[in-house]
Amino acid sequence: DAGITQSPRHKVTETGTPVTLRCHQTENHRYMYWYRQDPGHGLRLIHYSYGVKDTDKGEVSDGYSVSRSKTEDFLLTLESATSSQTSVYFCAISDYRDTEAFFGQGTRLTVV
Amino acid sequence: KQEVTQIPAALSVPEGENLVLNCSFTDSAIYNLQWFRQDPGKGLTSLLLIQSSQREQTSGRLNASLDKSSGRSTLYIAASQPGDSATYLCAVLDTGNQFYFGTGTSLTVIP
Repeated sequence: DAGITQSPRHKVTETGTPVTLRCHQTENHRYMYWYRQDPGHGLRLIHYSYGVKDTDKGEVSDGYSVSRSKTEDFLLTLESATSSQTSVYFCAISDYRDTEAFFGQGTRLTVV
Repeated sequence: KQEVTQIPAALSVPEGENLVLNCSFTDSAIYNLQWFRQDPGKGLTSLLLIQSSQREQTSGRLNASLDKSSGRSTLYIAASQPGDSATYLCAVLDTGNQFYFGTGTSLTVIP
């Protein structure tokens, strides 16, 4: 299995509080992605990174920010959590375009 | 924007049957297409990767084909087993290095 770890695995937080999710990889892959998965919507891209300090927005980036200060770590921050951000969040990694993408086990976030 | 569709949304078959899952995408400018499996409450497990220049890939009882020009891929599962029960997702990697996913096919294999 690819070395990709998400933390925490589960989190319950209150509306309006900041939340940071962490994705850590040991594969030295260039690309890292954050997705959210919701019933009826499938997996949607939030943000992705193509290198240290190089990030770009995805389809559903509003309310989220990311940072990548090291190759191995990609952080997703909800500055002020809302109930609509209750979801399962997945991190993915990939290297060049001819290689597989690998996914973490997911973080279940509940905003109450 | 790339749109990925998977048909059917759900499928129930008796054990031992061969089956085909379908995936279609709207923009043929892709680098590759990948099939994943997801078990309830779990992450995604990669099954097969097909490069845009390839027509098919095989792994054990799984065979995936790609027709890029028509925007279609199929995943063929031979001699299905109850352990194959899961949701199957296809994803395309576009030329902007973003993955776009279908909403999946939920497969149940009945013993």
